Amino acid sequence: DIQLTQSPSFLSASVGDRVTITCRASQGISSHLAWYQQTPGKAPNLLIYAASTLQSGVPSRFSGSGSGTEFTLTITSLQPEDFATYYCQQLNSYPRIFGPGTKVDIK
Amino acid sequence: EVQLVESGGGLVQPGGSLRLSCAASGFNFRAYGMSWVRQAPGKGLEWVADISSNVKKISYADSVKGRFTISRDNAQNSLFLQMNSLRAEDTAVYFCARDTHYFDSSDSLGFVSDIWGQGTMVTVAS
Repeated sequence: DIQLTQSPSFLSASVGDRVTITCRASQGISSHLAWYQQTPGKAPNLLIYAASTLQSGVPSRFSGSGSGTEFTLTITSLQPEDFATYYCQQLNSYPRIFGPGTKVDIK
Repeated sequence: EVQLVESGGGLVQPGGSLRLSCAASGFNFRAYGMSWVRQAPGKGLEWVADISSNVKKISYADSVKGRFTISRDNAQNSLFLQMNSLRAEDTAVYFCARDTHYFDSSDSLGFVSDIWGQGTMVTVAS
């Protein structure tokens, strides 16, 4: 099975900061990767799919890049509503596992 | 409004069974694959199972294979998860999600969970 790692696990940042989260796959997954945002008590919200395609309705400060085994999620100018946990998910093969998550907290 | 609403969660003893339901509205349910994803308290997301729109393709996580069964009723716009032989480690919030197809830059087909329900809590304890 493909394994996903995310770094960092925890990130402390301020409003207006640029934030980058990395997701690494144990095998190549082409560009079949999605990013989700989750706030406590809520369902995950799809941000990015196909590694770099912004989901409809998601603010343009979110962007994704990468292919193969290394992917990044970037948030330019962090907003108060962006403090959440972010998960990557590989969509290339079964099982469709998620990364362990990156919690973005207020500095 | 596109919506998914889960139900059927609750407290069940180890070894017991539970059937979760997910009611879909606001979209052509029969045209989409569907998934179940769970999240144990304080933990990350775990993909559980998915089913194609025409029921021809079904997949399970190893952790639930042989114990859980995913099914759907396209006439009733509903998704189900039958959970048998439940264990303490199955305790989690269970989300249903709609799977939408996409093509990446290489024209390779993929499916992503774009719409999620609010989740239903399953607690396995004596």
